[in-house]
Amino acid sequence: DAEITQSPRHKITETGRQVTLACHQTWNHNNMFWYRQDLGHGLRLIHYSYGVQDTNKGEVSDGYSVSRSNTEDLPLTLESAASSQTSVYFCASSGGQDYSPLHFGNGTRLTVT
Amino acid sequence: GENVEQHPSTLSVQEGDSAVIKCTYSDSASNYFPWYKQELGKGPQLIIDIRSNVGEKKDQRIAVTLNKTAKHFSLHITETQPEDSAVYFCPRNDYKLSFGAGTTVTVRA
Repeated sequence: DAEITQSPRHKITETGRQVTLACHQTWNHNNMFWYRQDLGHGLRLIHYSYGVQDTNKGEVSDGYSVSRSNTEDLPLTLESAASSQTSVYFCASSGGQDYSPLHFGNGTRLTVT
Repeated sequence: GENVEQHPSTLSVQEGDSAVIKCTYSDSASNYFPWYKQELGKGPQLIIDIRSNVGEKKDQRIAVTLNKTAKHFSLHITETQPEDSAVYFCPRNDYKLSFGAGTTVTVRA
């Protein structure tokens, strides 16, 4: 069965370090999204991609970057981790431009100390 | 752009009772209305969706109704069970915006 997997599930890092969260999907979806989820803020969009070599900023993109070199993967990089980036991160993918269900991974819990 | 507002933010119901969550949208051109459910420790999952050419859609104990005139759509859960306890979201259909805080539903035994 097709799936979307995130790794690691949990990560603890120190302030100032570069961190990369992995997202891999086997749906062959063109669209991929990264969200962060914090209490009281729901799911906020960080970056998204509509295909290989395409990346776009979401609402809360400062301090994050993504790259899309193939269809399956959209890694999320925190260039210099800050305590404010302690959160749960979700990756998702969808097949069409609009009106297509989002398929989510089970999240990465990141703690920045 | 599209704006979607969801109410209530929290909902507590007795097991067996019904739960209703409402979302109001602003763009009259919107034509796809999904509902997602997020259980503890997991990512959100699509549970039901409706397109604008349909007024109601049912799937076992859950249903979605659409009122295009009033620009709102609602999620109905009947005969609630403990496994219905979760956070429910009605995101914008292009997903290029936050999902918002959703509605936290608690089913009391």
